[in-house]
Amino acid sequence: QSALTQPASVSGSPGQSITISCTGTSSDVGGYNYVSWYQQHPGKAPKLMIYDVSNRPSGVSNRFSGSKSGNTASLTISGLQAEDEADYYCSSYTSSSWVFGGGTKLTVL
Amino acid sequence: QVQLVQSGAEVKKPGASVKVSCKVSGYTLTELSMHWVRQAPGKGLEWMGGFDPEDGETIYAQKFQGRVTMTEDTSTDTAYMELSSLRSEDTAVYYCATSLGNWFDPWGQGTLVTVSS
Repeated sequence: QSALTQPASVSGSPGQSITISCTGTSSDVGGYNYVSWYQQHPGKAPKLMIYDVSNRPSGVSNRFSGSKSGNTASLTISGLQAEDEADYYCSSYTSSSWVFGGGTKLTVL
Repeated sequence: QVQLVQSGAEVKKPGASVKVSCKVSGYTLTELSMHWVRQAPGKGLEWMGGFDPEDGETIYAQKFQGRVTMTEDTSTDTAYMELSSLRSEDTAVYYCATSLGNWFDPWGQGTLVTVSS
């Protein structure tokens, strides 16, 4: 199972919005509404930010939102803050297994 | 609220096996689907396998089939992941993570496994 494709890095200034894409195939991202997104700070475990494409767990800021079109899912972070600087990973269910994206490093300028 | 606490760091020689534990609190293990994900140094996340409640069995990523075994001790609410025939490329942080749907939350703190001669 090939990893989902994410940009290696994105950046933005405080207060701005950024979007991270996650491209798969019709067998994973496009075939199921089971895309999730994780935030990982250095040396820490990943934290769930979005599940089932666009749902936010309790306690996650509403500045984080998710969407999907075809085989590409997206994570948008609005009103960027310094603490958003981290690595972000997407994940998708795919026929009795799961696959992650390669990860995107978000830099807040 | 589910909490996962993993066993400590391990150093193993090539060819050996390692068994990492993940203790559950706040829920019983039978209420959860447990998965294992690893992360090599400076690399991304890699799903290794986990329990699929629809099939009622543990499924393994093709890459690890034959080398990984995931088990559970429901009497102590502890999950285990054993990886055999270790090689240097298996050096990574290994995470357990629960799944109440098609996502992973929460995650254990991670266990560093170093494979070195």
